[in-house]
Amino acid sequence: QVTLKESGPALVKPTQTLTLTCTFSGFSLSTSGMRVSWIRQPPGKALEWLARIDWDDDKFYSTSLKTRLTISKDTSKNQVVLTMTNMDPVDTATYYCARTETGPRFDPWGQGTLVTVSS
Amino acid sequence: DIQMTQSPSSLSASVGDRVTITCRASQSISTYLNWYQQKPGKAPKLLIYAASSLQRGVPSRFSGSGSGTDFTLTISSLQPEDFATYYCQQSYSSPYTFGQGIKLEIK
Repeated sequence: QVTLKESGPALVKPTQTLTLTCTFSGFSLSTSGMRVSWIRQPPGKALEWLARIDWDDDKFYSTSLKTRLTISKDTSKNQVVLTMTNMDPVDTATYYCARTETGPRFDPWGQGTLVTVSS
Repeated sequence: DIQMTQSPSSLSASVGDRVTITCRASQSISTYLNWYQQKPGKAPKLLIYAASSLQRGVPSRFSGSGSGTDFTLTISSLQPEDFATYYCQQSYSSPYTFGQGIKLEIK
């Protein structure tokens, strides 16, 4: 059974850097074809894909956010980490990680973690 | 970036109704189109991938069709548990963009 769970701070201040961790089980990011993505959703709004990391360490980023995002993996810990710099109140959202299957398609998703940006 | 537009913006229907939701891409994406269902307070769930392939475990009343720029998600007979928000997502090229979502409400 594949599961993913996001963790990180619930509250960050403007200009700070956000670090989120996705801890997963049921698959390995060292296996060919495996990928993990981050997606976010502001309250009451639509989904926005942020970044993806592949088994071979290829990385892909949102066009509008790529200067602020870094995605990395720790294969030994079954974790993917997303950092987002210079946080702003508009970055308030639920942040999800999801296994990214060939397609690519996102399945399954973690439960999400709500991050609020406020002073 | 490829823009995804869903219509209608909202939808009211009754149990047993046949419902169709439309998604349009700003350029041709072949059949690189996925559909997700999201219920309040929950993570999205994959329903359909590659425009028309039913994800394992998803009821057969859900179906998808289309290619190029125009796609549809159809629910053949609405069940109470189907009232949710539905998103399309293009997987043709990074960045992988989503539509704005369609909230399906009970009439």
